Amino acid sequence: SQTIHQWPATLVQPVGSPLSLECTVEGTSNPNLYWYRQAAGRGLQLLFYSVGIGQISSEVPQNLSASRPQDRQFILSSKKLLLSDSGFYLCARDDRYNEQFFGPGTRLTVL
Amino acid sequence: GDSVTQMEGPVTLSEEACLTINCTYTATGYPSLFWYVQYPGEGLQLLLKATKADDKGSNKGFEATYRKETTSFHLEKGSVQVSDSAVYFCALSRNNFNKFYFGSGTKLNVKP
Repeated sequence: SQTIHQWPATLVQPVGSPLSLECTVEGTSNPNLYWYRQAAGRGLQLLFYSVGIGQISSEVPQNLSASRPQDRQFILSSKKLLLSDSGFYLCARDDRYNEQFFGPGTRLTVL
Repeated sequence: GDSVTQMEGPVTLSEEACLTINCTYTATGYPSLFWYVQYPGEGLQLLLKATKADDKGSNKGFEATYRKETTSFHLEKGSVQVSDSAVYFCALSRNNFNKFYFGSGTKLNVKP
């Protein structure tokens, strides 16, 4: 199974509030995991990727952070949200065939 | 650095029209190339891929050929349907590590 779960599906948060988005995956152990953001009307921007527990690489400087406390869990966080953090957040994993599988996404609106 | 450029949308077509969405890439070495599709409110789904020059990926009537000489991977379909309305993303990845680079997406609207 390549199932990816993301929680919550939608979220509306005020500026300055904290954020925690969760991604859990099923299937093989030790997957590479990714967080992307899709801003309204724009393409996908890779935010973070992880090759294992506790290993996080950041692609762009920003107001967000990521953690991987368990092999199949990837969390995206912020201490204080900005308006510009609004978007559609996608978690992804890859497989041995060099493909990426995406979760259903979380739509975040910061007001 | 690696990058993908695809034609801006939206593209609006009538049902049964021919579709071409252009995609060009910049990369060193020999990347794999992909097309993903995103239906409204959903995540991305892999549509097709090609892993080496001259390979043709195909799925659901869509095709794309990996052209190294022109660094292109244009998406084509001979007869589109209303159900093909979605956003299409071109992407590449390096074979030594699976980090993907996506184009900005092209929205396709197919009218009955």
